[in-house]
Amino acid sequence: EAQVTQNPRYLITVTGKKLTVTCSQNMNHEYMSWYRQDPGLGLRQIYYSMNVEVTDKGDVPEGYKVSRKEKRNFPLILESPSPNQTSLYFCASSLSGVGYTFGSGTRLTVV
Amino acid sequence: QQPVQSPQAVILREGEDAVINCSSSKALYSVHWYRQKHGEAPVFLMILLKGGEQKGHDKISASFNEKKQQSSLYLTASQLSYSGTYFCGTPLGGRSQGNLIFGKGTKLSVKP
Repeated sequence: EAQVTQNPRYLITVTGKKLTVTCSQNMNHEYMSWYRQDPGLGLRQIYYSMNVEVTDKGDVPEGYKVSRKEKRNFPLILESPSPNQTSLYFCASSLSGVGYTFGSGTRLTVV
Repeated sequence: QQPVQSPQAVILREGEDAVINCSSSKALYSVHWYRQKHGEAPVFLMILLKGGEQKGHDKISASFNEKKQQSSLYLTASQLSYSGTYFCGTPLGGRSQGNLIFGKGTKLSVKP
């Protein structure tokens, strides 16, 4: 089944403890992207990638890192999470930038 | 830089029509529409390319006016299944579709 898989689905962590949210797609898509969703703010792009080893900042990249070492994976790294990074995170992928397929989301709470 | 959507929320009865608008202060090359149902991930509906074309998805259609830098989503004879939050998105970098920036969304509630 064609899909974007994020893990974990839920995560509660403490301030400052490094964490990684994984994202993997099995559709051989070129484009991948990370968004965070907060009430009233919509979907805000964190980082995106248009190919292996090609990444760029979105609207809200501060406090996040990404890497794209292979086409299928696009992990999101929070080196030192803070409470303002508590949010619902979505990974998405697309063959050409049109019609993104979103993962099921990761609900992160930083205490 | 986020596209601006209006209205923020709308409540309909089954069978009624609705229009959701999306506008930008910057030139638009394309507009993407997504729907997110409660507790689920956003799902792609359609893309509108410059040229004022209109596309459809079931009884949901959209138009794109490049000169006015806006797009409208039309929901005709709404069904309960149309409930959700609708987002428009546009590539910030112009033609590059990677840097897709979304509006804040329009919450649509369809009542029986």
